[in-house]
Amino acid sequence: EAGVTQSPTHLIKTRGQQATLRCSPISGHTSVYWYQQALGLGLQFLLWYDEGEERNRGNFPPRFSGRQFPNYSSELNVNALELEDSALYLCASSTGQGWGNQPQHFGDGTRLSIL
Amino acid sequence: QKEVEQDPGPLSVPEGAIVSLNCTYSNSAFQYFMWYRQYSRKGPELLMYTYSSGNKEDGRFTAQVDKSSKYISLFIRDSQPSDSATYLCAMSPSSGGYQKVTFGTGTKLQVIP
Repeated sequence: EAGVTQSPTHLIKTRGQQATLRCSPISGHTSVYWYQQALGLGLQFLLWYDEGEERNRGNFPPRFSGRQFPNYSSELNVNALELEDSALYLCASSTGQGWGNQPQHFGDGTRLSIL
Repeated sequence: QKEVEQDPGPLSVPEGAIVSLNCTYSNSAFQYFMWYRQYSRKGPELLMYTYSSGNKEDGRFTAQVDKSSKYISLFIRDSQPSDSATYLCAMSPSSGGYQKVTFGTGTKLQVIP
């Protein structure tokens, strides 16, 4: 069974640019979660998509947005990039609401570097 | 004060040692407690999952929750070099849902052969 895949592995941008990160969940998983893991900080919840709808978002500005496609893959878009957006962005997938006996499975992340 | 505090380490131990990893928290609403292992350049993987207080054992790993002290631990017996990774604690209130999980910053563990 293929795991959660994320692309690209690394992304280098400059301030003010826009970045698009992609995630393919495990086959059969309908929920996709996005997290930011900045140096010295714990994983911060960004967005949750399920069945194509945004279900919840974390405490991040609106320039962080995304979508989920009919095949359940997902994109995270970050506009007007700032230096503090430099971080590892992790995607996780699970079945349905994914709680209790339905663990999340994480991808290996996209390292976003802002110059 | 952070909701979840975790010593960043690094923690270096010899192979075969018993490792104790710990987190403290301040939110008494936390009911679900998790430990993740994250290898370098990889995503986290769930190791242990416990609800409320008590112990849970899985092979060489034991998770303990002391809600009265707001303190959780992960013990690794007979540590191996392959256990070298960053260990993240995570916790959530009873209403559940991964969007409500608060993660610690992680403790980096190195097991020396």
